[in-house]
Amino acid sequence: EVQLLESGGGLVQPGESLGLSCAASGFTFSSSVLSWVRQAPGKGLECVSSINEDGGITVYADSVKGRFTISRDNSENTLSLQMNSLRAEDTAVYYCAKTGPHGQRYFQIWGQGTLVTVSS
Amino acid sequence: EIVMTQSPATLSVSPGEGATLSCRASQSISSNLAWYQQRPGQAPRLLIYGASSRATGLPARFSGSGSGTEFTLTISSLQSEDFAVYFCQQYNNWPRTFGQGTKVEIK
Repeated sequence: EVQLLESGGGLVQPGESLGLSCAASGFTFSSSVLSWVRQAPGKGLECVSSINEDGGITVYADSVKGRFTISRDNSENTLSLQMNSLRAEDTAVYYCAKTGPHGQRYFQIWGQGTLVTVSS
Repeated sequence: EIVMTQSPATLSVSPGEGATLSCRASQSISSNLAWYQQRPGQAPRLLIYGASSRATGLPARFSGSGSGTEFTLTISSLQSEDFAVYFCQQYNNWPRTFGQGTKVEIK
């Protein structure tokens, strides 16, 4: 079964850092483009970052550029998101998502999400 | 950034009836359009990709159409499990952007 399982969410104060992880199973991790997509409470969806198969290419939304870092460990089948200088507007459920095959960049598989709350 | 606009914001439908959801892109995205369903408390679920291809296991009552800037998701004969929020998403350009969602509610 294809599965993505996020962890690491929690409550942090503005300006602090937090790291998220996503453990993958059931597919060829090293051949998959992966992304982090977030959803603020009661709001829509925002793709904050994506990483290519070997980790050599990363892209970020303007809203997180310079503060967030996406990375992957293909030996451990793990995707990570390091979030620094967190702001209240970063409060959201963060989903790990696998894109489709053959370069199709839709989000084929989603994790269950992990909640990040930034508040003093 | 490509802006995706969905309409209507809310659609009230009786079980067994059909529903048509619209999504418009601010510039051409060819057929690089996906639709997702999100039930309360759950992660989004892929329904349609390539504007009209159904995801594995998706019932045939769901269909997608369109290309360029205008897209439609049609649900024929709504079942109880179909009452949810639906998002469209373009994957032609970075950043990948989503519409604001259409809530399909029970009339």
